[in-house]
Amino acid sequence: DADVTQTPRNRITKTGKRIMLECSQTKGHDRMYWYRQDPGLGLRLIYYSFDVKDINKGEISDGYSVSRQAQAKFSLSLESAIPNQTALYFCATSDSQSDRAYGYTFGSGTRLTVV
Amino acid sequence: SQQGEEDPQALSIQEGENATMNCSYKTSINNLQWYRQNSGRGLVHLILIRSNEREKHSGRLRVTLDTSKKSSSLLITASRAADTASYFCATGHNAGKSTFGDGTTLTVKP
Repeated sequence: DADVTQTPRNRITKTGKRIMLECSQTKGHDRMYWYRQDPGLGLRLIYYSFDVKDINKGEISDGYSVSRQAQAKFSLSLESAIPNQTALYFCATSDSQSDRAYGYTFGSGTRLTVV
Repeated sequence: SQQGEEDPQALSIQEGENATMNCSYKTSINNLQWYRQNSGRGLVHLILIRSNEREKHSGRLRVTLDTSKKSSSLLITASRAADTASYFCATGHNAGKSTFGDGTTLTVKP
């Protein structure tokens, strides 16, 4: 099984619909992140969480919300999806004790299309 | 705006040649990371260099960091067709989050 699992892998949704992307990890890491990638571009941080009671906005949090249900689970919601939220979404984890050594572990991504 | 900027945006070389990618950043960092992404897939961590380190090696990878110039380079020696991918740098900060550049797309021709 993958260390960081994202579901669904692909999703097509209609404008205005609420959608949730889920992320779970078996790494035992305390830190979790949601990034968005647009074609030909790098990753932009949406939200991040350093532990279950900690939620922080990233650079592009408008239109998104998150929930850290447990140390291993971090979900991203689009409250009312719009076409310019069409993108590849990545969940990542890191360990506050070792992230300086090992960086992030990424999931395989969710390809979201809003029509 | 992105903290790290990779250069070049795209690089095409023949198998066996070396590939060099550069990353520049704007503010002070705690560390700098390099990642690889195969088409449309998740990023894979390659190597991390701390701000007090100048050079690091991992297999065919060599990373340098010049904090005075706020730049880093990733060298892949003896490239293979399987090295074809996008490569991203990410700057790590004391706040515990990293900022990614837009990447360099490397094509290695057999």
